[in-house]
Amino acid sequence: AQSVTQPDIHITVSEGASLELRCNYSYGATPYLFWYVQSPGQGLQLLLKYFSGDTLVQGIKGFEAEFKRSQSSFNLRKPSVHWSDAAEYFCAVDGGGFKTIFGAGTRLFVKA
Amino acid sequence: EAGVAQSPRYKIIEKRQSVAFWCNPISGHATLYWYQQILGQGPKLLIQFQNNGVVDDSQLPKDRFSAERLKGVDSTLKIQPAKLEDSAVYLCASSFERFGGNEQFFGPGTRLTVL
Repeated sequence: AQSVTQPDIHITVSEGASLELRCNYSYGATPYLFWYVQSPGQGLQLLLKYFSGDTLVQGIKGFEAEFKRSQSSFNLRKPSVHWSDAAEYFCAVDGGGFKTIFGAGTRLFVKA
Repeated sequence: EAGVAQSPRYKIIEKRQSVAFWCNPISGHATLYWYQQILGQGPKLLIQFQNNGVVDDSQLPKDRFSAERLKGVDSTLKIQPAKLEDSAVYLCASSFERFGGNEQFFGPGTRLTVL
């Protein structure tokens, strides 16, 4: 069965510092992979997605993610974090069957 | 383009009472999803509609939860009777089509508290 693991429940970074959020998935083949962001009191918004091809994917708000098949990982990165990036981030996988499985999320805190 | 609308935004009820949530997806989106998001967890799919037909309700507690999507547009999710463990945010999402990797657009959610 497909699954998604986000090892970090929460992460704190300083404003202007770089960010990496980890995501590992379990699936027999290459799935569709997503990163969503959820700000307080709001629904989820898609940051980026990976289907195939170039393993480095660019998204909105300056985020990027790299797919590594050998590590079953799809980590999210941003070179310089802004205070407005404080939110909860969800990695998700769609391994077919048109059902999206979400990880438990990583809450990002940004300190001044 | 208007987003996914949900109402109410908040609801507080006592256990064993009934509650209903409403969702209006983005115009033209054929696929509609209801998710349950318990505090500290990621969203869990409850039910998925393609137009007005159910394509996946495997994780819907059918003894107490029901959902319908009349005319393939709006949808309602009902809980009857509610239990304490139903306290969660209920998210509605829609997508243009039902194929792998399709982007889902989420509404703001309804926060349900069961006392």
